[in-house]
Amino acid sequence: DSGVTQTPKHLITATGQRVTLRCSPRSGDLSVYWYQQSLDQGLQFLIQYYNGEERAKGNILERFSAQQFPDLHSELNLSSLELGDSALYFCASSQDRANTEAFFGQGTRLTVV
Amino acid sequence: LAKITQPISMDSYEGQEVNITCSHNNIATNDYITWYQQFPSQGPRFIIQGYKTKVTNEVASLFIPADRKSSTLSLPRVSLSDTAVYYCLVPRRAGTALIFGKGTTLSVSS
Repeated sequence: DSGVTQTPKHLITATGQRVTLRCSPRSGDLSVYWYQQSLDQGLQFLIQYYNGEERAKGNILERFSAQQFPDLHSELNLSSLELGDSALYFCASSQDRANTEAFFGQGTRLTVV
Repeated sequence: LAKITQPISMDSYEGQEVNITCSHNNIATNDYITWYQQFPSQGPRFIIQGYKTKVTNEVASLFIPADRKSSTLSLPRVSLSDTAVYYCLVPRRAGTALIFGKGTTLSVSS
């Protein structure tokens, strides 16, 4: 158990819909990262939050957005879903110190039909 | 970011030692070398990290030559459960996102 909790574990939804994925980081970790992993794209970095503020953006689509709340949990919102958004979405957290490891959650498997 | 090159795949048999080499020619002075392991449908898991020479933990060993332009992850006596993707990373600085390449898919057979 990494200490990072993601909900839900599985999500099936239709094209055009909007979903919210939730992540609770490890206790004490201020940084939260979101990743998307599909079969043909590998593990893609989407966005990072640090203590409530956006710190870095990766390959995140405009239809996707995220936020980190005062209690440090984070949500990833995916809207106008397309079939190609079907993937595993991982959240990770870390302390903001040099050479500390990142801990990943078990992921949310999103299936868009 | 350091440019990472590692084999796409490797095959091994149970009980053998597996060595996965990673090239990171433009590694910076303060960069550490980090390896993660990922099983199918699970999040990546930290295995080991090092700066120079040799680091060993209960899972693996990491060998880093003096010029630090490459590193070798060594898995002693692999088992079927070591079948996974292994990622070599050189994170730039504290608090920055880990950028994963394609990793090395290790397949262990009986």
